[in-house]
Amino acid sequence: AQTVTQSQPEMSVQEAETVTLSCTYDTSENNYYLFWYKQPPSRQMILVIRQEAYKQQNATENRFSVNFQKAAKSFSLKISDSQLGDTAMYFCAFMRYSSNTGKLIFGQGTTLQVKP
Amino acid sequence: EAGVAQSPRYKIIEKRQSVAFWCNPISGHATLYWYQQILGQGPKLLIQFQNNGVVDDSQLPKDRFSAERLKGVDSTLKIQPAKLEDSAVYLCASSPRLAGTFNEQFFGPGTRLTVL
Repeated sequence: AQTVTQSQPEMSVQEAETVTLSCTYDTSENNYYLFWYKQPPSRQMILVIRQEAYKQQNATENRFSVNFQKAAKSFSLKISDSQLGDTAMYFCAFMRYSSNTGKLIFGQGTTLQVKP
Repeated sequence: EAGVAQSPRYKIIEKRQSVAFWCNPISGHATLYWYQQILGQGPKLLIQFQNNGVVDDSQLPKDRFSAERLKGVDSTLKIQPAKLEDSAVYLCASSPRLAGTFNEQFFGPGTRLTVL
């Protein structure tokens, strides 16, 4: 069974600075997806960034980038130039690449507070 | 394009009562998911539908939870009777089923259930 662990329940960062959220996972699969989702207070979950395990290059989306270490089963999210709108709960998630189900397995989440 | 719609947004009931949640996915999305998100935890998949068939309901407490997706469009999730531990946000998500490409899951705003 796959598991996803986020060891930082809460983090804070000053506006315009950089913050890194950590995630580790456990799987025996070789091909899979990893994701970071953002869930703002009282608003719906949205996909921030995804990484395919077969790709060595780390994914980037504007101010968001990941550090994917497949051998270490580590998948961290870096947010550069933090903005007040980045305040949210962030979830790391795993999905098997070739499964019949698109089941997402989520970590416990990290609450990020961006301070002015 | 309209997003995933859910109703009601909030529901408060007494334990042992029944409750139902409704979800209307994005038009044309073949796959529909119900997740349970207990406060302070990541979402957990309860059930996944492909059109009107069940793909995965391994984590659905079938003694009290039921779900259907008649006609392969909207879906209802029912709890009967509710327990205190059912207090959670119930998220609905949908995704297309396009061959040969990644199919993103789009989440609704959720229904927050409080069982007293």
